[in-house]
Amino acid sequence: GDSVTQMEGPVTLSEEAFLTINCTYTATGYPSLFWYVQYPGEGLQLLLKATKADDKGSNKGFEATYRKETTSFHLEKGSVQVSDSAVYFCALRSNSGYSTLTFGKGTMLLVSP
Amino acid sequence: DTAVSQTPKYLVTQMGNDKSIKCEQNLGHDTMYWYKQDSKKFLKIMFSYNNKELIINETVPNRFSPKSPDKAHLNLHINSLELGDSAVYFCASSPNLGNQPQHFGDGTRLSIL
Repeated sequence: GDSVTQMEGPVTLSEEAFLTINCTYTATGYPSLFWYVQYPGEGLQLLLKATKADDKGSNKGFEATYRKETTSFHLEKGSVQVSDSAVYFCALRSNSGYSTLTFGKGTMLLVSP
Repeated sequence: DTAVSQTPKYLVTQMGNDKSIKCEQNLGHDTMYWYKQDSKKFLKIMFSYNNKELIINETVPNRFSPKSPDKAHLNLHINSLELGDSAVYFCASSPNLGNQPQHFGDGTRLSIL
């Protein structure tokens, strides 16, 4: 079945540091890939997405590129802010049948001033 | 206006009780979902409804009974609550069963005493 593996957290960074959160997946065919963010006490919000190989999703300074050859969708940001502190979820959705989102276990990011 | 709203936000109750969580979306979406997030932040799909019809039931105990009176609502009723039901339950919606992103509510934190 489909699965998503994320690096374990928490990831602790100082403000303005470079961020990478690794995400790899297992799926049949060509799934769509997503990053969701969950701020403390809130629901999940879509951060960015990519629907086919080599697509780059970007939003709020975050980027991720759909790499079919390495089955990866790593999240990056050049300069993190304290307000980026949250839990980040990588997810995929298969393009076949009645599929739903399959989530990774989430990676907590803590950014200090 | 809130796109996906859940009530209540917090629910504290005793083992053996029956409780309901309500979800409404004002996005005009056809498809709605319930997810469970455990204490380690792991998110798992429970149910998916499309146009008021059950599409996915991920081997959830039959103590959990979703009900969709119309496309804009998907309520979750839980009978005979158990300690292991303690979690945050998220409602979500998407335009249809395709690959569009899902919109999440803020979650209902259920605590069983």
